[in-house]
Amino acid sequence: EAQVTQNPRYLITVTGKKLTVTCSQNMNHEYMSWYRQDPGLGLRQIYYSMNVEVTDKGDVPEGYKVSRKEKRNFPLILESPSPNQTSLYFCASSLSSGLYGYTFGSGTRLTVV
Amino acid sequence: ILNVEQSPQSLHVQEGDSTNFTCSFPSSNFYALHWYRWETAKSPEALFVMTLNGDEKKKGRISATLNTKEGYSYLYIKGSQPEDSATYLCAFSGGGADGLTFGKGTHLIIQP
Repeated sequence: EAQVTQNPRYLITVTGKKLTVTCSQNMNHEYMSWYRQDPGLGLRQIYYSMNVEVTDKGDVPEGYKVSRKEKRNFPLILESPSPNQTSLYFCASSLSSGLYGYTFGSGTRLTVV
Repeated sequence: ILNVEQSPQSLHVQEGDSTNFTCSFPSSNFYALHWYRWETAKSPEALFVMTLNGDEKKKGRISATLNTKEGYSYLYIKGSQPEDSATYLCAFSGGGADGLTFGKGTHLIIQP
């Protein structure tokens, strides 16, 4: 089954404790992206990647890092999480940045206390 | 940051009625317009990707139109059913590597 696998689904952590949210797709998609969803603000892009070893900042990159060492994986790293990073996170992949529909992962609900 | 506006923010519709809502986007540098359906506790699912002015797409009882010159798209649902209850997102692409800019969505509730 074609899918984007995102883990974990739920995570509660403490301020400053490094964490990684994993994202893996099995569709050989070139393009991958991370979004966060906050009430009243809609989906906002954190980082995106056009291909292996090619990543760039989206609209809200502060406090996040990403890597794209393999085509299928695009982990989101929070080096020192803070409470304002409490949010619902989605990973998405597509054949290209705009011409094809995005396939979204199941989401990660992160709470930083 | 691009401005993608959706209206209304929320909508209550009686089962069996038809409804529509709007997505407004920049008319310059247009590349594609996406519609997604997002059910509670699930992830967004692609409905349509539209690229040409005047384009119309249809999937079952749901259809969409596109006007790139004036910068708007309509999503129509004919004969609403309870399973149509969801948030409908539109997203604009200017063709850049940064991908999609999403609107805040229209939250549709179908009342039996």
